[in-house]
Amino acid sequence: NAGVTQTPKFRVLKTGQSMTLLCAQDMNHEYMYWYRQDPGMGLRLIHYSVGEGTTAKGEVPDGYNVSRLKKQNFLLGLESAAPSQTSVYFCASSYDGQYGYTFGSGTRLTVV
Amino acid sequence: KQEVTQIPAALSVPEGENLVLNCSFTDSAIYNLQWFRQDPGKGLTSLLLIQSSQREQTSGRLNASLDKSSGRSTLYIAASQPGDSATYLCAVRVLQGAQKLVFGQGTRLTINP
Repeated sequence: NAGVTQTPKFRVLKTGQSMTLLCAQDMNHEYMYWYRQDPGMGLRLIHYSVGEGTTAKGEVPDGYNVSRLKKQNFLLGLESAAPSQTSVYFCASSYDGQYGYTFGSGTRLTVV
Repeated sequence: KQEVTQIPAALSVPEGENLVLNCSFTDSAIYNLQWFRQDPGKGLTSLLLIQSSQREQTSGRLNASLDKSSGRSTLYIAASQPGDSATYLCAVRVLQGAQKLVFGQGTRLTINP
C-alpha cells in the first residue's frame, strides 16, 4: 500500500546513545516533515525538507539532525539522546502546498 | 505566529447523537485546513481537507466547514457511533515558508453505547 513508513516502531535508548529514525514514502512527495508529539504539547515540528538534498529547522530542532539524500527518504538522527527526547515521533509527507499531509504510524522512543 | 485552538478538550456523548467539534486559528493566511483522527497509540488518519477557497467538505457522516475570515472551522459528526471514539485534531497549513502544518491540541471524543 502506498503511504509513509516509519522504522522502527518502538525503541528504548540509554542517555547519550545515538540512533536514526527512518521515514520512507512512495508517493513521490516533495515535502517531508518530522514532528514530535508530547502529552499536553500537541504536535511540534522538528525539521522539514522541501525536496531532495534540502533540510530546514522547525520549532524544536535542538538535539536532532536530518538528512534527505533521496527524495523518498527522510532520516531523523539523535546524536546524544536525552530523557527530554522521550516522545512519539511522526513523519509526514505532502506533494505540495495545495495538498494535505499523509502521516506515518509513529515511532515511540523512550530515553532512560 | 499562527495558533490553533480546539474546544472542548474532551467530549463524551451517548451513541446516536450529532455533535460538533470546534477549531479556531489566529491567522487567516492559510493554504488549507485538515482534520485528522488519532486512535490511542496510533498515527494520524486524514479525514477531511478543506482548501482556503472552499467552505466545506463532506465524507460520509462527517462534514467540515471553514470560515477563513473569522478563523474558525467545525467538524460535524452525524449519528455518532462508539467506533468514532478517538482524538480529533485540526491543523492549518500556513502560507509562509515550508507551508507547515500547525496543530491544535485535539478533542478527545468518547461515544458511549
